[in-house]
Amino acid sequence: EVQLVESGGGVVRPGGSLRLSCAASGFSFDYYDMNWVRQTPGKGLEWVSTINWNGGSTGYADSVKGRFTISRDNANKSLHLHMRNLKGDDTALYYCARGGSASSFDYWGQGTVVTVSS
Amino acid sequence: ENVLTQSPATLSLSPGERVTLSCRASQSVSNYLAWYQQKPGQAPRLLIYEASNRATGIPARFSGSGSGTDFTLTISSLEPEDFAVYYCQQGSNWPFTFGGGTKVEIK
Repeated sequence: EVQLVESGGGVVRPGGSLRLSCAASGFSFDYYDMNWVRQTPGKGLEWVSTINWNGGSTGYADSVKGRFTISRDNANKSLHLHMRNLKGDDTALYYCARGGSASSFDYWGQGTVVTVSS
Repeated sequence: ENVLTQSPATLSLSPGERVTLSCRASQSVSNYLAWYQQKPGQAPRLLIYEASNRATGIPARFSGSGSGTDFTLTISSLEPEDFAVYYCQQGSNWPFTFGGGTKVEIK
């Protein structure tokens, strides 16, 4: 069974940093692209970042480019998102999602909440 | 950025009815279009990928069609568990984008 479990969320002040992690199990992790997607009540679902199977290619939403860094550890089947210079607009539920066919997201974790507030 | 527009925003229907949801892209995405279902307190669940292929375990009452810029998700006969929010998503180019969602509610 495919499982994705996010961790690392919390409350952080504007300008602060946070590192999210996603532990994967039940599939060959190093075969798949992986993604971060966030959701807020006001802005809906927003793609944040993608990393390809070997970490050689990454992509970011303009809203996080230069502040967020996606990485992966295939040996330990884990995905990470290092978030710096956090802003109020980054407050959201952050999901880890496996890349599926035609760049769909075929499995999702339950998410971890990030709150940016002073 | 490729903007996805879903319509209508809300549908009020009864179990057993046929549902047709629309998703229109501002630029062509070929068939790189997926549909998701989300219930309160849950993560989105993939229903359809590549515009018309059902994901693993998705019932046959769900079907997708379209290509280019216009896409449709059809539920042939609504079951009680189908009342939820439905999102489309394009995977043609970065940034990947989602539509604003259609809420299917009980009439």
